[in-house]
Amino acid sequence: GQNIDQPTEMTATEGAIVQINCTYQTSGFNGLFWYQQHAGEAPTFLSYNVLDGLEEKGRFSSFLSRSKGYSYLLLKELQMKDSASYLCAADRGSTLGRLYFGRGTQLTVWP
Amino acid sequence: NAGVTQTPKFRVLKTGQSMTLLCAQDMNHEYMYWYRQDPGMGLRLIHYSVGEGTTAKGEVPDGYNVSRLKKQNFLLGLESAAPSQTSVYFCASSHPAGRTSGANVLTFGAGSRLTVL
Repeated sequence: GQNIDQPTEMTATEGAIVQINCTYQTSGFNGLFWYQQHAGEAPTFLSYNVLDGLEEKGRFSSFLSRSKGYSYLLLKELQMKDSASYLCAADRGSTLGRLYFGRGTQLTVWP
Repeated sequence: NAGVTQTPKFRVLKTGQSMTLLCAQDMNHEYMYWYRQDPGMGLRLIHYSVGEGTTAKGEVPDGYNVSRLKKQNFLLGLESAAPSQTSVYFCASSHPAGRTSGANVLTFGAGSRLTVL
């Protein structure tokens, strides 16, 4: 079966660092996506990890451990505009892009 | 460059009515998808298409039909709407993996909020 777990909610203050964890168990695995979704808007692509290790993109970094079925998204220097839902999604090893999404982590950034 | 456009944005239906959601993309993507998003649940794949004239079932296809007569359009139909189909529907499109940094990155539309009474 398919299972992706991520915390439902997290809070942090402006300027802080927050780590959103994601664990996955899927039949077939090619890589791990993170998407950002602001309330009432479309999900937008943040990162994709296919190899173990850390990928850094400005204030956002994403980590993958394939052996542990674990990923995290690290957000630094938090800003109010980072308040959003962060979706972890497993690419199940098909070129057809049939992603399996977690329920999302709602991050609230306080001033 | 509009990306992925969905119409309508909002719709209220009565149980048993039919309707069609339209998705249009201008990025010449091969693949298109319909997802639904419900509170407390992840995005779930309804149907998808790997090219003009082709469609396939996703995780939750029951009660829906799709058509891809033109490469740029992907239609989602509800023949007889049920309250359980109240949801936000997202269309997405992508190139095959390998054409953009090796990842099959989905571009989503803004969503269509459907309420079935």
